[in-house]
Amino acid sequence: KQEVTQIPAALSVPEGENLVLNCSFTDSAIYNLQWFRQDPGKGLTSLLLIQSSQREQTSGRLNASLDKSSGRSTLYIAASQPGDSATYLCAVRYGGSQGNLIFGKGTKLSVKP
Amino acid sequence: DAGVIQSPRHEVTEMGQEVTLRCKPISGHDYLFWYRQTMMRGLELLIYFNNNVPIDDSGMPEDRFSAKMPNASFSTLKIQPSEPRDSAVYFCASSTSRGRVTQYFGPGTRLTVL
Repeated sequence: KQEVTQIPAALSVPEGENLVLNCSFTDSAIYNLQWFRQDPGKGLTSLLLIQSSQREQTSGRLNASLDKSSGRSTLYIAASQPGDSATYLCAVRYGGSQGNLIFGKGTKLSVKP
Repeated sequence: DAGVIQSPRHEVTEMGQEVTLRCKPISGHDYLFWYRQTMMRGLELLIYFNNNVPIDDSGMPEDRFSAKMPNASFSTLKIQPSEPRDSAVYFCASSTSRGRVTQYFGPGTRLTVL
């Protein structure tokens, strides 16, 4: 069964810290992987999309890496801010472009001022 | 663009009642997805449409659930009759591609069935 796991389920850090969120997946034959942000009462916002042929993607203070052989992806957030507080979800797509996204349950991040 | 629009944002109903959730995708997007999010199971795909045609409804939990897309700018997800275990947040998302680009999510409808 194809599963996506995110550990820890919750994380609290002081403002300014650099941090890493983890995502692991059971099947390395992925098509692409996405990181989303979810704010309370709101939908998901896509942060970064990594194709299977890529090793990383960067957007501002965010950097996502992909290691298919080990079944892992990380989301690195530099110089964290209280506004980064949200739940971060990892989603993996298998079976080519027609496959469905399989979501992890997310890591709830709290950045304390 | 206003993004994906969902209504209502909150719905509280009693067991056995019919519930209809609505979604307006982003103009020009020809893929529409319905997801359900619960604490236990996370985010799961229920059904998706391409050019208003249902393509994959294998995620629809039971016959009590049905979805339609009568035109490119409107879709509904109906639950009849509703049960307490249907309580969840239901999201609609749209995109211009099945899987090569990101999906844009609406704010969700929080459904509570008493």
